[in-house]
Amino acid sequence: KAGVTQTPRYLIKTRGQQVTLSCSPISGHRSVSWYQQTPGQGLQFLFEYFSETQRNKGNFPGRFSGRQFSNSRSEMNVSTLELGDSALYLCASSLGTSFYEQYFGPGTRLTVT
Amino acid sequence: ELKVEQNPLFLSMQEGKNYTIYCNYSTTSDRLYWYRQDPGKSLESLFVLLSNGAVKQEGRLMASLDTKARLSTLHITAAVHDLSATYFCAVTIQGAQKLVFGQGTRLTINP
Repeated sequence: KAGVTQTPRYLIKTRGQQVTLSCSPISGHRSVSWYQQTPGQGLQFLFEYFSETQRNKGNFPGRFSGRQFSNSRSEMNVSTLELGDSALYLCASSLGTSFYEQYFGPGTRLTVT
Repeated sequence: ELKVEQNPLFLSMQEGKNYTIYCNYSTTSDRLYWYRQDPGKSLESLFVLLSNGAVKQEGRLMASLDTKARLSTLHITAAVHDLSATYFCAVTIQGAQKLVFGQGTRLTINP
């Protein structure tokens, strides 16, 4: 069974630009969650999507948004990038029907210059 | 607000020694997770602890959960260099599909 995949793996953007990251969950998983990891703030929850609906949201500004498609693939978008958005963005998938375990993808390393 | 605290944050130890990482959380939670992260890599699931008194073991690692004390421990027995990594605990907020992570414990095992 294929694991969680994320694209791209590495990304360099300039301050003020926007970026879209993609996550494909494990086959059969309907929940996709996104996390941001930085040296200063650690691992923080961004949002979770289940059956194309945002079900939970973390404490991030509106510049961070996401969506989920009918095949459970998810994208997150960050608009008007700031230097502080440089981070490892991890997505995780789970069955979603009862929260048991999340399986993490390899992450996208975003660098904002 | 649910807070998760780990200690120590940094741990340097010699091969063959035993040590314990502690994870405290502030409010009632229904599940506790331990993850391992190697430098530049993603999170690898180690254990999921579901109930009070739960104990799980895999190789040289053993995790336990005391829900009354809101404490989990990750015990390392006879450490080997391959266990060098950062270890995170995380808990779920009841009713929400959201993991709240501790700060991580960076473990370095020296020959």
